[in-house]
Amino acid sequence: NAGVTQTPKFQVLKTGQSMTLQCAQDMNHEYMSWYRQDPGMGLRLIHYSVGAGITDQGEVPNGYNVSRSTTEDFPLRLLSAAPSQTSVYFCASSLGGNQPQHFGDGTRLSIL
Amino acid sequence: GENVEQHPSTLSVQEGDSAVIKCTYSDSASNYFPWYKQELGKRPQLIIDIRSNVGEKKDQRIAVTLNKTAKHFSLHITETQPEDSAVYFCAANDDTDKLIFGTGTRLQVFP
Repeated sequence: NAGVTQTPKFQVLKTGQSMTLQCAQDMNHEYMSWYRQDPGMGLRLIHYSVGAGITDQGEVPNGYNVSRSTTEDFPLRLLSAAPSQTSVYFCASSLGGNQPQHFGDGTRLSIL
Repeated sequence: GENVEQHPSTLSVQEGDSAVIKCTYSDSASNYFPWYKQELGKRPQLIIDIRSNVGEKKDQRIAVTLNKTAKHFSLHITETQPEDSAVYFCAANDDTDKLIFGTGTRLQVFP
């Protein structure tokens, strides 16, 4: 039982490049979410999903896209990377929005 | 939308003393209040949570209290130990069940 798996762990991009951060969970959780963590700003919700085929915006969605074609996977796409998107990204899953969230190990993303 | 404020941003205590971290929230519909601990370079991990139908919950040296009228909740750690040193985050769900986090408290426990 791996829990929540994020790949890659580290990534360096150039401004304007695109990439996809992968997130997979094996707990059959319906609820999945993406957060970014910046110093002094806590964890801010980017996008979330309450089940396959359903996604919605969080607090800071601009510049990011998500899709949820299966219960297990919830990839986060950066369309055109900007230095302001340098951050640590965490994926989480849970049985619901008012249930304990299980976090992945994070992806540390630097954009030059 | 929901707004969660957390204080203090840093907290230093002597080993064996108690530590208290406070959070306030704005959405009266919030009914779920978890606390997460994040060690340096690691993922956030749930340490305790409380729901709106309960005023207090304890788990060994950790307790959380909730005051729904005042819209605030607090984390209490007693008999602190060096391994309690970490960043602690409070959170509250909003009326669409999104989880909104506070900005974190860096706790340092000195031996």
